Amino acid sequence: DIQMTQSPPSLSASVGDRVDITCRASQNILQYLNWYQQKPGKVPKVLIYTATSLKGGVPSRFSGSGSGTEFTLTITSVQPEDFATYYCQQTYSGGTFGGGTRVEIK
Amino acid sequence: EVQLLESGGGLVEPGGSLTLSCEASGFTFSPYAMSWVRQAPGKGLEWVSSISGSDESTNYADSVKGRFSISRDKSKNTLYLQMNSLRAEDTAFYYCAKDSGWQLFYFDFWGPGTQVTVSS
Repeated sequence: DIQMTQSPPSLSASVGDRVDITCRASQNILQYLNWYQQKPGKVPKVLIYTATSLKGGVPSRFSGSGSGTEFTLTITSVQPEDFATYYCQQTYSGGTFGGGTRVEIK
Repeated sequence: EVQLLESGGGLVEPGGSLTLSCEASGFTFSPYAMSWVRQAPGKGLEWVSSISGSDESTNYADSVKGRFSISRDKSKNTLYLQMNSLRAEDTAFYYCAKDSGWQLFYFDFWGPGTQVTVSS
């Protein structure tokens, strides 16, 4: 399996802060990288697909970048509703997820 | 409206077997890839298995390869996961997920999940 490593595992941020979450793949996955948001007791929701494409209806403060083995999810001005856990997922070979990044209120 | 509804979860002893089902409605089931994803209590998401919408090719996480089998019945709009030789570490909430395309791309809809507990 391709391994996906997310960092940091958790972070604290204030409303309005910029947040960057990194995801590294154990091998080149081109741009087959998706980002999901999961809130407690809810199913995950896709935010970004193929590394940089914003899913319809997702606020533009979310963006994705990267290719190959290193990827970043950026929230330019974090809002109260953004406090959640974020997961990257590669779909180059299988569908492995990263370990998740919990974004908490500072 | 797309709906996915998992069933078949429950308590099973180590070494036992269980079959999960996921009934799909609100979309044309045939063309889309479908997957199973699990989440242990308080833990992250783990991709388990996928089946394509075109040639029904399958793939599995290393952790379940040789023990789990994914299949689909297009006439019943239903996805299955046959789980054999279950271990305590298979205990999790199991989600059925619809892909946006005919092969693994990204998951655009998820079912509410079904709990599987492996314990003696």
